[in-house]
Amino acid sequence: DADVTQTPRNRITKTGKRIMLECSQTKGHDRMYWYRQDPGLGLRLIYYSFDVKDINKGEISDGYSVSRQAQAKFSLSLESAIPNQTALYFCATSASTGNTIYFGEGSWLTVV
Amino acid sequence: QKEVEQDPGPLSVPEGAIVSLNCTYSNSAFQYFMWYRQYSRKGPELLMYTYSSGNKEDGRFTAQVDKSSKYISLFIRDSQPSDSATYLCAMISPPQNLHKLVFGAGTILRVKS
Repeated sequence: DADVTQTPRNRITKTGKRIMLECSQTKGHDRMYWYRQDPGLGLRLIYYSFDVKDINKGEISDGYSVSRQAQAKFSLSLESAIPNQTALYFCATSASTGNTIYFGEGSWLTVV
Repeated sequence: QKEVEQDPGPLSVPEGAIVSLNCTYSNSAFQYFMWYRQYSRKGPELLMYTYSSGNKEDGRFTAQVDKSSKYISLFIRDSQPSDSATYLCAMISPPQNLHKLVFGAGTILRVKS
């Protein structure tokens, strides 16, 4: 089983709908991240969390919100989805003293 | 100008070829350099991690950093079809500030058998 699990893996939603992407991890890491990946733009950080009570905006947080429900769970919400939020979304984790980020397998989101 | 530039490819080579993947960067503060490999429909996974300038070798893979030129490379010897993937460079300083990790856009590599 994957150490960093994302659900759903694929989702098609309509413009204006609310959608939540969920992430859970079994690595015991304190830090969790949400990235989006677009062709030609690479990985861009949306939000990150150092622990349950410490959540921070990343490079491209507008239009997104997050919730850290527990050390192992970090969800990303699109309150009102728009087509330019169509992308591949990754959850990731790292240890507080670590130098490596571990990624989940990604969630493909299409907004029509 | 992007902080990290990486040719998106695709780069197509025959099996057994030596592959050179490259990134340039503009921030001289970067000291830690990484290469991630991403297979289709999978998340990126760390392949190589280097500090400062010089070479680091791991099997068929060699990571090279030239800080004076702000240029990093990943060489793959005896390339295999299983090496077909997207390769992303990433860099940071200091290493624990992983939320500040800056990624290149990735180079698509195709190794033909």
